[in-house]
Amino acid sequence: DSGVTQTPKHLITATGQRVTLRCSPRSGDLSVYWYQQSLDQGLQFLIQYYNGEERAKGNILERFSAQQFPDLHSELNLSSLELGDSALYFCASSVELSDTQYFGPGTRLTVL
Amino acid sequence: LAKTTQPISMDSYEGQEVNITCSHNNIATNDYITWYQQFPSQGPRFIIQGYKTKVTNEVASLFIPADRKSSTLSLPRVSLSDTAVYYCLVGDMSGAAGNKLTFGGGTRVLVKP
Repeated sequence: DSGVTQTPKHLITATGQRVTLRCSPRSGDLSVYWYQQSLDQGLQFLIQYYNGEERAKGNILERFSAQQFPDLHSELNLSSLELGDSALYFCASSVELSDTQYFGPGTRLTVL
Repeated sequence: LAKTTQPISMDSYEGQEVNITCSHNNIATNDYITWYQQFPSQGPRFIIQGYKTKVTNEVASLFIPADRKSSTLSLPRVSLSDTAVYYCLVGDMSGAAGNKLTFGGGTRVLVKP
């Protein structure tokens, strides 16, 4: 158990819908990262937050957005969902920006 | 942006040493190299991280040549439980503006009895 929690574990929804994935970092970790893992694209970095501020952006679609709240938990919002958005979404956290990342168990999103 | 490539799969036997090489020709000055292990339906787990030369911990060694265009993860005396997918990650995790963290495609290691 890495100490990073993600909810929900599974999510099934329809095309065009909007969902919110939640991540609680390890106690004391200030940085949160979001990744998408699909069969054809592998592990893709989406976005990074540090102490509530966005620090780096990867291959995140405009339909996706994220934020980190004052209590340091983070949410990833996915809207206008498409079949191709079906994937595992991982959150990771680290104490500081350059420290080891600890990954959560992931949220499996299925878009029908 | 560093593009990382790894072999798709490798087979080994219990007790042998496994070496997995990751190529990252466009690695930037501030980029670190990190290796992760992933089991099915679980999140990646940190193995080791380095910047240059050699790093060793209780589970693995990481060799990085002077030009840093590749890195090799070495797993000594593997066991059946080391069967997993191994990913290398290259990037500047300090969050420098515009930086992207790039994972390799993963190497599926199968350890046979």
